[in-house]
Amino acid sequence: QKEVEQNSGPLSVPEGAIASLNCTYSDRVSQSFFWYRQYSGKSPELIMSIYSNGDKEDGRFTAQLNKASQYVSLLIRDSQPSDSATYLCAVRVGGFKTIFGAGTRLFVKA
Amino acid sequence: NAGVTQTPKFQVLKTGQSMTLQCAQDMNHNSMYWYRQDPGMGLRLIYYSASEGTTDKGEVPNGYNVSRLNKREFSLRLESAAPSQTSVYFCASRPGTDNEQFFGPGTRLTVL
Repeated sequence: QKEVEQNSGPLSVPEGAIASLNCTYSDRVSQSFFWYRQYSGKSPELIMSIYSNGDKEDGRFTAQLNKASQYVSLLIRDSQPSDSATYLCAVRVGGFKTIFGAGTRLFVKA
Repeated sequence: NAGVTQTPKFQVLKTGQSMTLQCAQDMNHNSMYWYRQDPGMGLRLIYYSASEGTTDKGEVPNGYNVSRLNKREFSLRLESAAPSQTSVYFCASRPGTDNEQFFGPGTRLTVL
């Protein structure tokens, strides 16, 4: 069974702090990794994609990938109340299939 | 561009009724997907279509059928709805295999 695991949270951080979201996956051959943000009652939207080991930065967001440890994370710097949402980790497991984690709920307190 | 559109937005069915969820994309994407999202379960793949004329089963295909009508449209059919199919259904598309997926607004389905 190919799985993607996330802590369901909720993760609560004060405004301006760093939020750290983590994800582990079981399929060693996975090559493509994505973080989606989903506001309540809305559809998921892409935040970051990462394909190789190391860090990838985009504004306040940094994705980190460690394939040896089968671990991918998302850091949100200077967290804002508007970042409060559920964050979904997604892993392409081969071909056209992508497996999603159950998501981590993030609350940013003003 | 409207992106990915889905109809209807909300639907209530009785057990045993049938219905078709419609999805269309105007981004000329090759692959299209149907997911369901249940509390605590994340998004689970029902069926996907890698390209026009092809469809394949995902993780949870039982009780569903799909049709890739053309490159733009991908429909999901429930032949005999069951309460276990109460969920939010999302359609998505992507241009290739390694790109992000673009999601529609979702259909909230309740089966009584």
